[in-house]
Amino acid sequence: GAVVSQHPSRVICKSGTSVKIECRSLDFQATTMFWYRQFPKQSLMLMATSNEGSKATYEQGVEKDKFLINHASLTLSTLTVTSAHPEDSSFYICSAVTGRENIQYFGAGTRLSVL
Amino acid sequence: AQKVTQAQTEISVVEKEDVTLDCVYETRDTTYYLFWYKQPPSGELVFLIRRNSFDEQNEISGRYSWNFQKSTSSFNFTITASQVVDSAVYFCALSESLGADKLIFGTGTRLQVFP
Repeated sequence: GAVVSQHPSRVICKSGTSVKIECRSLDFQATTMFWYRQFPKQSLMLMATSNEGSKATYEQGVEKDKFLINHASLTLSTLTVTSAHPEDSSFYICSAVTGRENIQYFGAGTRLSVL
Repeated sequence: AQKVTQAQTEISVVEKEDVTLDCVYETRDTTYYLFWYKQPPSGELVFLIRRNSFDEQNEISGRYSWNFQKSTSSFNFTITASQVVDSAVYFCALSESLGADKLIFGTGTRLQVFP
């Protein structure tokens, strides 16, 4: 299967700081990437759809100014959690869609802890 | 509205037992796609299978098999002769498109296989 790399795998930060998470498709180009959030022992909730070269589409209830998404190239999408607060602590996971198979392949996720 | 229900929160089995994970979905679309993903403790979601709504044939891949029944809106997953490495959370998901569209996930079933 295709490989999606997500970095960092874990980050601990102080309240008020911003954190950037990178999602890279290593062996394929992805015009579409997705960002999900997962609370402990719960399902994945889609936050936004990231399209290369255009603005991200956010799901209802997700703050655009809080979760900045940039999809600057066909292999990289970034999620920046701005002015993070403890309630933003969660597991964030990205996926990238392969053009050939149209399957979402997922990164290993980033566990964010805001103190 | 689309919805995926995985009623089994946790299942524990002993190695070599067979286990079936249930998935029931709701959708008004006539064309849709069903997925199973595995999330091991490391966090990444591993793609297992995609099925479109027009293909009700059961599928077998090694120790894994899937039973898709439109009449009951179910897409169940069976692991034969389970192994410790099968321990993970398994998610069933639904999408309106092949993959370049958001996935609606169930709440997941945590499978623990004991030696």
